[in-house]
Amino acid sequence: EDQVTQSPEALRLQEGESSSLNCSYTVSGLRGLFWYRQDPGKGPEFLFTLYSAGEEKEKERLKATLTKKESFLHITAPKPEDSATYLCAVQASTGANNLFFGTGTRLTVIP
Amino acid sequence: KAGVTQTPRYLIKTRGQQVTLSCSPISGHRSVSWYQQTPGQGLQFLFEYFSETQRNKGNFPGRFSGRQFSNSRSEMNVSTLELGDSALYLCASSARDSNEKLFFGSGTQLSVL
Repeated sequence: EDQVTQSPEALRLQEGESSSLNCSYTVSGLRGLFWYRQDPGKGPEFLFTLYSAGEEKEKERLKATLTKKESFLHITAPKPEDSATYLCAVQASTGANNLFFGTGTRLTVIP
Repeated sequence: KAGVTQTPRYLIKTRGQQVTLSCSPISGHRSVSWYQQTPGQGLQFLFEYFSETQRNKGNFPGRFSGRQFSNSRSEMNVSTLELGDSALYLCASSARDSNEKLFFGSGTQLSVL
């Protein structure tokens, strides 16, 4: 059965304090791994898609990496506006198009 | 370019009632998916429609149903509401024949009393 586990559940950082969020997954053939950001009262906003182990993608202060068992979202020198819940999701290569989401990491960046 | 629009934004119902939620995808997007989000379970897939056909369905009871119209707008219906149906219902659209890069609406917050 497909499974996505994100850790930690919540993370508080001082502004400028870099850290990483973890997404461990079990899927019957990975078609893609997705990272989304969700702000309170809003729907998830797409950040990255990773397809194969060793792939990396960057956007501003965020960098996503992928191995065969997990993905990391590295946040470098975060700012208060990076505070949000970060969601990881996998799409299996079984033919179905749906995404299987983790429960997210709630990030708070303190000024 | 307008984003995904969901109506209503908030909804309060009582047990046993039924509810219909609406979703207008981004113009040109033909795939619409629905997800239920609760604090404990996170986002769970309900169903996906493409060109008016349901392509995939999640593990939800038959009380949850949906449809898609020729203009790609979609509705989902929940009959015989239960307290556990209280959740944020999110609609997402995508441009191509896959779920890559889903664009989500802000959701409909349903409270069942």
